[in-house]
Amino acid sequence: ETGVTQTPRHLVMGMTNKKSLKCEQHLGHNAMYWYKQSAKKPLELMFVYNFKEQTENNSVPSRFSPECPNSSHLFLHLHTLQPEDSALYLCASSPTPAGDEQYFGPGTRLTVT
Amino acid sequence: QKEVEQDPGPLSVPEGAIVSLNCTYSNSAFQYFMWYRQYSRKGPELLMYTYSSGNKEDGRFTAQVDKSSKYISLFIRDSQPSDSATYLCAMSADSGAGSYQLTFGKGTKLSVIP
Repeated sequence: ETGVTQTPRHLVMGMTNKKSLKCEQHLGHNAMYWYKQSAKKPLELMFVYNFKEQTENNSVPSRFSPECPNSSHLFLHLHTLQPEDSALYLCASSPTPAGDEQYFGPGTRLTVT
Repeated sequence: QKEVEQDPGPLSVPEGAIVSLNCTYSNSAFQYFMWYRQYSRKGPELLMYTYSSGNKEDGRFTAQVDKSSKYISLFIRDSQPSDSATYLCAMSADSGAGSYQLTFGKGTKLSVIP
């Protein structure tokens, strides 16, 4: 595996379910990010982790819970989501916390029913 | 006023044309400027980044930054059908917490017609 990988690629879940998204980067980077991409909206930064420590939480609802066990893996735990949370969730990594070179994974297409 | 403005298009050009994609911004603290390309059902792919005013060239792509006018451009020469994608501009400033946050434009959808 190379670059940034994400699993699953597609996820359909009900509003009462609990699921997790997984991201893994094979680039030796020190910073990782979660973004949300909705139709006709700019990419929205959700969380930032630098050296496994969370440094940004952009007012994301608590039904989204990130976890970064090490500098290569990032999870996004989901519970009691709303239909408006349906979107493409993208993971990215960058070599340094400066975040000027971010490399994205292919995303998880999430549908909340 | 939004921080980053980008015309969403769609933009349709014939193969071989020169394409100009543009973004304007309002935050003078932005220091790094990037262009990403996103194909359908894929994540964004970093095309170019720069941190100073002026031009940066990479093959058929030229990124231009004018900090005094708060304006950035991406030029694609000899456009190919494989360039058909959505192009996102992004820029970052120190968020004050030891990291830089990227702010993205909405993206411009480009179609290059054979």
